[in-house]
Amino acid sequence: AQSVAQPEDQVNVAEGNPLTVKCTYSVSGNPYLFWYVQYPNRGLQFLLKYITGDNLVKGSYGFEAEFNKSQTSFHLKKPSALVSDSALYFCAVRDGLAGGFKTIFGAGTRLFVKA
Amino acid sequence: NAGVTQTPKFRILKIGQSMTLQCTQDMNHNYMYWYRQDPGMGLKLIYYSVGAGITDKGEVPNGYNVSRSTTEDFPLRLELAAPSQTSVYFCASRISQDNQPQHFGDGTRLSIL
Repeated sequence: AQSVAQPEDQVNVAEGNPLTVKCTYSVSGNPYLFWYVQYPNRGLQFLLKYITGDNLVKGSYGFEAEFNKSQTSFHLKKPSALVSDSALYFCAVRDGLAGGFKTIFGAGTRLFVKA
Repeated sequence: NAGVTQTPKFRILKIGQSMTLQCTQDMNHNYMYWYRQDPGMGLKLIYYSVGAGITDKGEVPNGYNVSRSTTEDFPLRLELAAPSQTSVYFCASRISQDNQPQHFGDGTRLSIL
């Protein structure tokens, strides 16, 4: 069965510092991994995805994510945080072998960036 | 290009009332989904559809019904509203290629009193 865990409910960073939002996953086949961001009163917006290939994936707004197969992790990172990055972030996984209709979402991590 | 459009944005219902949440997309996506988002709980899948005329249950289908008569529209029906259905409801769509992300609407905030 597919599952995804975001171990931190909230992450606090100072503007200009690097940020990491953690995600671990479990699938029986090949993982398709996604990060989404949600701003207040809006739907989820796609940030980036890992399908295959390079373990470091670059996405929108300067975000990147590192895929680690041995640790089954897909942590979201940004070298220098902005106040405008404050939002709710969701990690999601889809099993590439299981017919991929369903995506499992983590519970979300709220990021606060302080000026 | 409007993407995924949900209506209404807000609604207050009384216990036992019925309503339909509307969702339409203009991207010709085959796959469509309904989720509910409760605080601290992430997204729970209610129903999904892989094409017109085809629907299936997700994790939390009880108390809801859906239909998919066209590629564009995927309405969600609440027949007898209960306080436990107070939530934010999101519709999403994507193309059928498995490595593609979902596109989300901005949600319907529903309160049952």
